[in-house]
Amino acid sequence: EMQLVQSGGVVVQPGGSLRLSCEASGFNFEDHAMHWVRQGPGRRLEWVALIRWDGGETFYADSVEGRFTISRDNSKSSLYLQMNSLRTDDTALYYCVKDKNSWPAEYFHHWGQGTLVTVSS
Amino acid sequence: DIVMTQSPDSLAVSLGERATINCKSSQSVFYSSNNKNYLAWYQQKPGQPPKVLISWASTRESGVPDRFSGSGSGTDFTLTISSLQAEDVAVYYCQHYYSTPRTFGQGTKVEIK
Repeated sequence: EMQLVQSGGVVVQPGGSLRLSCEASGFNFEDHAMHWVRQGPGRRLEWVALIRWDGGETFYADSVEGRFTISRDNSKSSLYLQMNSLRTDDTALYYCVKDKNSWPAEYFHHWGQGTLVTVSS
Repeated sequence: DIVMTQSPDSLAVSLGERATINCKSSQSVFYSSNNKNYLAWYQQKPGQPPKVLISWASTRESGVPDRFSGSGSGTDFTLTISSLQAEDVAVYYCQHYYSTPRTFGQGTKVEIK
């Protein structure tokens, strides 16, 4: 069974940093591009970042470019999101998402349960 | 960025009746090189992550009931639930994967009338 197990929720102050992690099992992790997608207090879904199967290419939403870094360790079947200079509008449920394909990336095939990130003083 | 707009925002349908959700993209998500529309539909039930129902505008994912169908091409797409069941109460999203940034529609909430 495919699983994406995400780290627990946290509260962080504005301007702070945080690293999210996601451990995959039940499929060949290195065969798939991976994404982070977030869902804020309203129900809108926002794609955050994408990483190629081998980590060789990354893409970001404009809202996080320069502040967030997506990375992966295929030897640990793990995906990460380093979040710096956090703002209150980064408050959201962050999903780790497996892509259908290795490259080029396609659609969101399987989602983790999400990590709640609250940015508040 | 490609803007995805869904209509309606919410929909109440009687059990066994048809539900239709529309999605419009601000530019075409059709690649003529491979004749594919880069459009997916997702279902999100309360307290759960989204689940993909339809990819390539009209291809049902494995295990998805055949009452769910997708149609359309270019900029206009439709998700149809042919006979609404109680377990279909959810928010439905369209999303393009034609380019980055990937973007979603605002969601359509489907309820039982």
